[in-house]
Amino acid sequence: QSVLTQPPSASGTPGQRVTISCSGSSSNIGDNYVYWYQHLPGTAPKLLIYRNNQRPSGVPDRFSGSKSGTSASLAISGLRSEDEADYYCASWDDSLNGRVVFGGGTKLTVL
Amino acid sequence: QVHLVQSGAEVKKPGSSVKVSCKASGGTFSNSAINWVRQAPGQGLEWMGYIIPVLGTAHYAQKFQDRVTLSADKSTGIAHMHMTGLRAEDTAVYYCARGYCSSTSCREFDRWGQGTLVTVSS
Repeated sequence: QSVLTQPPSASGTPGQRVTISCSGSSSNIGDNYVYWYQHLPGTAPKLLIYRNNQRPSGVPDRFSGSKSGTSASLAISGLRSEDEADYYCASWDDSLNGRVVFGGGTKLTVL
Repeated sequence: QVHLVQSGAEVKKPGSSVKVSCKASGGTFSNSAINWVRQAPGQGLEWMGYIIPVLGTAHYAQKFQDRVTLSADKSTGIAHMHMTGLRAEDTAVYYCARGYCSSTSCREFDRWGQGTLVTVSS
């Protein structure tokens, strides 16, 4: 049971826009930044979004992040086949002496 | 540009210990933190803790604080994760990841190692 809640799966066709939600609480998302990672099996996770909505250099602007209250979301527009991966949200959590918490991950399928 | 290179796969018996290394290639740790994250088969990512090599300070997730020791040598640019009392459920891919952490939060993890598979089996 992950501290942050994500849907286990999402899907879309090429060119579509999909969103992935991430729900938390006042001790994590409500009071801290949200980060998003893309993870392809057998590879290292890749940072997609930091500080709620900032993209690192090299990440296409098709990826965008937002946060409102204790929830956040990742949007992917102009969906491409190479976007098929697992997506994780993360945040700092102020409880239990402080820790990084992840969502359970969302498997994105490009149909 | 800094790359994190981890040691190879390990197979361990229940009750034994494992030490996984993470080397900063092409640079140093500078003032960053090295975090450790694991992924068990079919499961999501789980944060274990971090160490700030330049300070030698570590912070652990409560779940791991009795069995895991993080260490780092800033002169060699190598960090280690040492876990004792291994159980079957510790079978996972273990990642090191660079972030910037303080006592009150950690920021994004912008560099990740390639992962080290640790298999615990009798």
